[in-house]
Amino acid sequence: NAGVTQTPKFQVLKTGQSMTLQCAQDMNHEYMSWYRQDPGMGLRLIHYSVGAGITDQGEVPNGYNVSRSTTEDFPLRLLSAAPSQTSVYFCASRNPLGQGNEKLFFGSGTQLSVL
Amino acid sequence: GIQVEQSPPDLILQEGANSTLRCNFSDSVNNLQWFHQNPWGQLINLFYIPSGTKQNGRLSATTVATERYSLLYISSSQTTDSGVYFCAVNPYNQGGKLIFGQGTELSVKP
Repeated sequence: NAGVTQTPKFQVLKTGQSMTLQCAQDMNHEYMSWYRQDPGMGLRLIHYSVGAGITDQGEVPNGYNVSRSTTEDFPLRLLSAAPSQTSVYFCASRNPLGQGNEKLFFGSGTQLSVL
Repeated sequence: GIQVEQSPPDLILQEGANSTLRCNFSDSVNNLQWFHQNPWGQLINLFYIPSGTKQNGRLSATTVATERYSLLYISSSQTTDSGVYFCAVNPYNQGGKLIFGQGTELSVKP
């Protein structure tokens, strides 16, 4: 099992450019989520999904779009990048609530710089 | 929203020492998890612990949900324990969101 796979690992964008951060998991997890990590701010939830076709906003959703067409994939889209979106982005997945073991597993992260 | 507070914010230990990290939360939760972020940025799940005590080698964790806190114990610390430790909680009636504390940065010196 590869677990949670994120691509790319590093990306530099210019202000106003768009891009998609990819996330895939092979653990058949229904729940997937995106976090951003900034110095002194911990990990903040951007968007999450409890299953294919279902997404919802987290703590800091503005400037980001998501969709969930399959159980395996949960891409994060930046429509018009801004310097404030410079951060490290983590994708994570787990079993749904109520199954008794809802450990969250993280990908290796994407370091994004917006100039 | 729920507040998750970790203490201490940073900690320096000599190799072989023991330590206790604390996580307080302001509202009822479904579950709580502890993570270690190593110096290369990788986030590893240490414990899924809604209540009670669990042990994994030199690490153990205890959650007292009724009093809204959890403790992570590290015994006989090693330099590889260095990094940032996060606790994260899933608040009731919030659709499975996991909210993180600010972390405790641990440095273990040889």
